[in-house]
Amino acid sequence: GQGVEQPDNLMSVEGTFARVNCTYSTSGFNGLSWYQQREGHAPVFLSYVVLDGLKDSGHFSTFLSRSNGYSYLLLTELQIKDSASYLCAVRWPNYNVLYFGSGTKLTVEP
Amino acid sequence: NAGVIQTPRHKVTGKGQEATLWCEPISGHSAVFWYRQTIVQGLEFLTYFRNQAPIDDSGMPKERFSAQMPNQSHSTLKIQSTQPQDSAVYLCASSLDETGEDTQYFGPGTRLLVL
Repeated sequence: GQGVEQPDNLMSVEGTFARVNCTYSTSGFNGLSWYQQREGHAPVFLSYVVLDGLKDSGHFSTFLSRSNGYSYLLLTELQIKDSASYLCAVRWPNYNVLYFGSGTKLTVEP
Repeated sequence: NAGVIQTPRHKVTGKGQEATLWCEPISGHSAVFWYRQTIVQGLEFLTYFRNQAPIDDSGMPKERFSAQMPNQSHSTLKIQSTQPQDSAVYLCASSLDETGEDTQYFGPGTRLLVL
């Protein structure tokens, strides 16, 4: 919904990094959140960004470019347990409702 | 803090039956959200309460679906005359409903299967 797009799948190797991309329609944007979801479990909040630039949170970092309608989640020093789906969710001014992308399934291989 | 609680975790109904799903938000959170997740459609917003009042139900199917929040400690989502296409995981989330960063915390979901 609301034009939030993510690639379906991403593969990377243990010990390296992975970048999960998200694009969205820019009209009325009011913040973007990233969630991790493991199979059969609820989404778990990772990060929220509303200002342009890179937000470094250690293992997870997030980047936002408001003018381009683009964000990414960067995972460094990947571990096998990072294999999960990563959901991008955009908040529009109609209160605090989140509109989610379809999620990117990250597979980390040995 | 037990987090958001949803019951039941799994529900199987026959076509045409009614299903009621329950959500207990985190204590002190004033906003409650209902979402539905399927493989095809992904995670979709359904409805939102603030301080027990319905604020936005723009994602709710107009027929057969209704949601209530009779008190601050629980909300229900009711589906009348369930259909196979209603099969999904129904997720409830709560938040402090603040301006600026307002993190939504999700419950484990109710997996509904309509046969």
